[in-house]
This record gives sequence, structure tokens and C-alpha cells, in this order.
Amino acid sequence: DTGVSQDPRHKITKRGQNVTFRCDPISEHNRLYWYRQTLGQGPEFLTYFQNEAQLEKSRLLSDRFSAERPKGSFSTLEIQRTEQGDSAMYLCASSTGQGLGTEAFFGQGTRLTVV
Amino acid sequence: AQSVTQLDSQVPVFEEAPVELRCNYSSSVSVYLFWYVQYPNQGLQLLLKYLSGSTLVKGINGFEAEFNKSQTSFHLRKPSVHISDTAEYFCAVSRDTNAGKSTFGDGTTLTVKP
Repeated sequence: DTGVSQDPRHKITKRGQNVTFRCDPISEHNRLYWYRQTLGQGPEFLTYFQNEAQLEKSRLLSDRFSAERPKGSFSTLEIQRTEQGDSAMYLCASSTGQGLGTEAFFGQGTRLTVV
Repeated sequence: AQSVTQLDSQVPVFEEAPVELRCNYSSSVSVYLFWYVQYPNQGLQLLLKYLSGSTLVKGINGFEAEFNKSQTSFHLRKPSVHISDTAEYFCAVSRDTNAGKSTFGDGTTLTVKP
């Protein structure tokens, strides 16, 4: 399978704990995006990378959230001191970034439940 | 900034009936428009996109959408739905070539009944 891969698929954590998610994009894609999707809503943009550079962060990304893409390949999203409001599906997507309206391919997401 | 409004949160329809899922957008600049489908516990899959040119766009699984600039709409249609079309559908807009950085609507749940 050469699609976008996310790990883990599900994570249950206690409030106050730190969690880290991983995203492996399609190999030739240099752009990588993180989104958050809460129940009953559409995905909300969090941040994106071009290669290893983090080019934009949404104001939704509080200081408890940090994302990295150290070698321009896989990316991690860490949430520190989790809160119940962080419970959501975290989606990763990647694209080549070339051409008009280049399609972004989404992974299956990591569902986080904070108890 | 741009925004997307999906006018119906739920659309129930019988199998083989036609369906229209409505999407309106707001933007001060030209945008690119997309429809995605999400099956339970799955990621989003692109159905179709409008970049420029013909306002009628055909996508996968028999879906099509029409871009109407004057009404700022991008409604999704299918002439005859199947049970397997039951899913969540999202309309999205992007204001630049970075289509991965999109603004999504809140989704429409399409339920196809036998």
C-alpha cells in the first residue's frame, strides 16, 4: 500500500498525558498537512510542511501542540498535557505541491480519546 | 478568509433516486473547489475538483458537480444512487494552488435506503 499511513489508528489516554502520532506520506510528496476533525464537523487545518520546513500553523495549534518533519519524510504530531477537548480524529495528508489545485491524499487518521 | 456552508447536514434518499448535496462558499478571491467522501473509519477520498474551465465537473463513482460563480455554489449531484454511496460528503475550498490547505464544510451525511 503506497498511500498515506498513520499510526496509531486509535489512542486512548488519560488527561494530562502526552501523546505522539506519526504520519508517513506518499514517498514522492514534499508537502504534508495535519488536520483535526471533531465529531459532526469537517476537518480543520492545523499545520503544513514543505519538505522539512513548517510553513504555516493555524491558531488552532496551541502551544501544547508541536509538529515536526525532521528529514522531510515522516512527520510527528505531539500533544502535551492532553485535555478532554483534544479528543478528535487527527488526519494527515500529503501532496506533490505541483500544479494547480494539486490533490491532497489523506490517511485514515488517528482517533484520540482523552479520558 | 474563505468559508464553506453545506446546507444539509443529513440527506436520506432511496436507492436509485437522484440526489443533490448543496455547498455554498464565501471568498473574496478566486478559489478551487473540491468534494471529498469519507466512509466510516476511513480517510477522505477526493470525488472531484473544479480548478478552471468547464463549470460542470465529472468525478468518480458517477458523481458530478456544477460550479456557479454568481451564486457561489458548487452542488454535488448523482442521477441514481446506490446503497454503497452511504457516507459523509465534504465540500472544501482552497484559495491557492496549495490544495492541501483547504477550508472544509461540516459535511453532509448521505444515507441511501433500500
